[in-house]
Amino acid sequence: EPEVTQTPSHQVTQMGQEVILRCVPISNHLYFYWYRQILGQKVEFLVSFYNNEISEKSEIFDDQFSVERPDGSNFTLKIRSTKLEDSAMYFCASSEAGNSGNTIYFGEGSWLTVV
Amino acid sequence: AQSVSQHNHHVILSEAASLELGCNYSYGGTVNLFWYVQYPGQHLQLLLKYFSGDPLVKGIKGFEAEFIKSKFSFNLRKPSVQWSDTAEYFCAVKSNSGYALNFGKGTSLLVTP
Repeated sequence: EPEVTQTPSHQVTQMGQEVILRCVPISNHLYFYWYRQILGQKVEFLVSFYNNEISEKSEIFDDQFSVERPDGSNFTLKIRSTKLEDSAMYFCASSEAGNSGNTIYFGEGSWLTVV
Repeated sequence: AQSVSQHNHHVILSEAASLELGCNYSYGGTVNLFWYVQYPGQHLQLLLKYFSGDPLVKGIKGFEAEFIKSKFSFNLRKPSVQWSDTAEYFCAVKSNSGYALNFGKGTSLLVTP
């Protein structure tokens, strides 16, 4: 079964540093997403991306965050200046389309620890 | 405000016991409903989903869920759990007009032999 893959699986970074989390969505999917889960809390939506632009974003997704599809296969989340509270599991996801009939498939996540 | 509530945070069952995990939501308009499962060390996997039609939906591994519109509920059920069902279970809701999945806090299920 096709999978969403994410790298790195775990990253430790110092506060104030920039971090890029990478994702390879399922190949025929057109919609891409980032979610995060802070330890002990629920999974939260960050952003959705379609046709090279953001289609929806949450309040969490402020100017510190950005997403990009630099080539035909990768989808990245950049955190510009990390804060301690950015420590979380970040999940990439993708779907064939954005409408109601489509399932969103998740990757295994990237653990980000900010120290 | 849109919200998703899962009533049980931790559930412990013996093998062969029946399971029901509650999920209620507060949303305006038409919604799409999902249950995801996360086995230890693995990614979120879709168990089942409801978009329209028969409110009783069947998913993988013997799970089913019933959408009761009047109660704003989408409870997950399994008649007889196995040890391998030990996992975290997440209810999620999406507005029919949006892209974002709104997750509940999750229910940790431990099935003992």
